[in-house]
Amino acid sequence: ETGVTQTPRHLVMGMTNKKSLKCEQHLGHNAMYWYKQSAKKPLELMFVYSLEERVENNSVPSRFSPECPNSSHLFLHLHTLQPEDSALYLCASSQDGSGDDSYNEQFFGPGTRLTVL
Amino acid sequence: GQQLNQSPQSMFIQEGEDVSMNCTSSSIFNTWLWYKQDPGEGPVLLIALYKAGELTSNGRLTAQFGITRKDSFLNISASIPSDVGIYFCAGAGGGNKLTFGTGTQLKVEL
Repeated sequence: ETGVTQTPRHLVMGMTNKKSLKCEQHLGHNAMYWYKQSAKKPLELMFVYSLEERVENNSVPSRFSPECPNSSHLFLHLHTLQPEDSALYLCASSQDGSGDDSYNEQFFGPGTRLTVL
Repeated sequence: GQQLNQSPQSMFIQEGEDVSMNCTSSSIFNTWLWYKQDPGEGPVLLIALYKAGELTSNGRLTAQFGITRKDSFLNISASIPSDVGIYFCAGAGGGNKLTFGTGTQLKVEL
């Protein structure tokens, strides 16, 4: 247990569906992240929230919409996805370090395995 | 953008053998990290390296931050079956933005 939980663990959806992924962290952190992990590719950073404000959007298509209502919760809203969006979506949290040269450890959740039909 | 080349892509070794994997980058990083990911789980941090030339151990794991700040290696000594998984290197250039390698899949034969 890393202190970061994600639900659901598995999700199958059609291209016209709307669904949401949820992440919750119990570590008292103030930065949260969404990553996409596809087979044979490096983890790709999608979004970063620091102090509940989005500070990074890594050229992610608008069919992915993040929401961070407070420092403990992060959502990823999904709408009209494509089959190539099938992947493991990982959430992580850390202490904010956007202004530092040093690195603050990111703790990852177990991920949501998404399949788009 | 920054890229990390991680090798080998996969390894199939006998229990008790030592393992070595490495990561190279076209860019400089301030911090090098090594993660392990078990099936159905997210990556877990194994070792963090903060200074060029630094050599750090964590049990049977040893990692080094290359002197040029563009590479790192991870060694696992006397491998055991629970070492199976995917190992990722990652570099941090500043703040909390990480660049990940493609991973090394480790399989251990009893």
